[in-house]
Amino acid sequence: AQTVTQSQPEMSVQEAETVTLSCTYDTSESDYYLFWYKQPPSRQMILVIRQEAYKQQNATENRFSVNFQKAAKSFSLKISDSQLGDAAMYFCAYRSERGLIQGAQKLVFGQGTRLTINP
Amino acid sequence: GAGVSQSPRYKVAKRGQDVALRCDPISGHVSLFWYQQALGQGPEFLTYFQNEAQLDKSGLPSDRFFAERPEGSVSTLKIQRTQQEDSAVYLCASSSKNEGQPQHFGDGTRLSIL
Repeated sequence: AQTVTQSQPEMSVQEAETVTLSCTYDTSESDYYLFWYKQPPSRQMILVIRQEAYKQQNATENRFSVNFQKAAKSFSLKISDSQLGDAAMYFCAYRSERGLIQGAQKLVFGQGTRLTINP
Repeated sequence: GAGVSQSPRYKVAKRGQDVALRCDPISGHVSLFWYQQALGQGPEFLTYFQNEAQLDKSGLPSDRFFAERPEGSVSTLKIQRTQQEDSAVYLCASSSKNEGQPQHFGDGTRLSIL
């Protein structure tokens, strides 16, 4: 079974600075998807960024980018120019690319990292 | 609506009572998921539907948990004879049929068992 580990329960950063959140995962599969979700106190999981494992290029969405190291099974999230609205729980998640095979569609989440932005 | 809608937003029940949680997915989304999120933890998978078919229920913690999606749209998660350990946020997510499409989540239902 796949597992996702986020080793930083809490992180803090000064507003406008850059912060990196770590995520490692364990899988025997070669094709899969990785995601970063943000969960503010409102509880809704908001997709931040997505990476397909077969793509070597790291995904980027505005101020958010990832460092995907497939061999090391590492998937870190970098937030540049941090803003107060970035404060939330951040979850790394894994999903198999095995189509409609039972169990393949579910997301496997890490334990989360609580990000605080200091003004 | 444009997003995944869950109701109620909060539910308080006494131990032993039955509860029903509702999820209305994004229109046209064939895949629907339920997750359980304990306080301070990441969500954990409960069950998955494709249209009305429940293809994976491996995450349901006991036979007290039951989910249905009879018409392939709205889904209900039912918990019978609730216990304190059932207290959690229950998240619903939906996605389109296209492979690799992300799951879109609702705001969740916070269930508290007294």
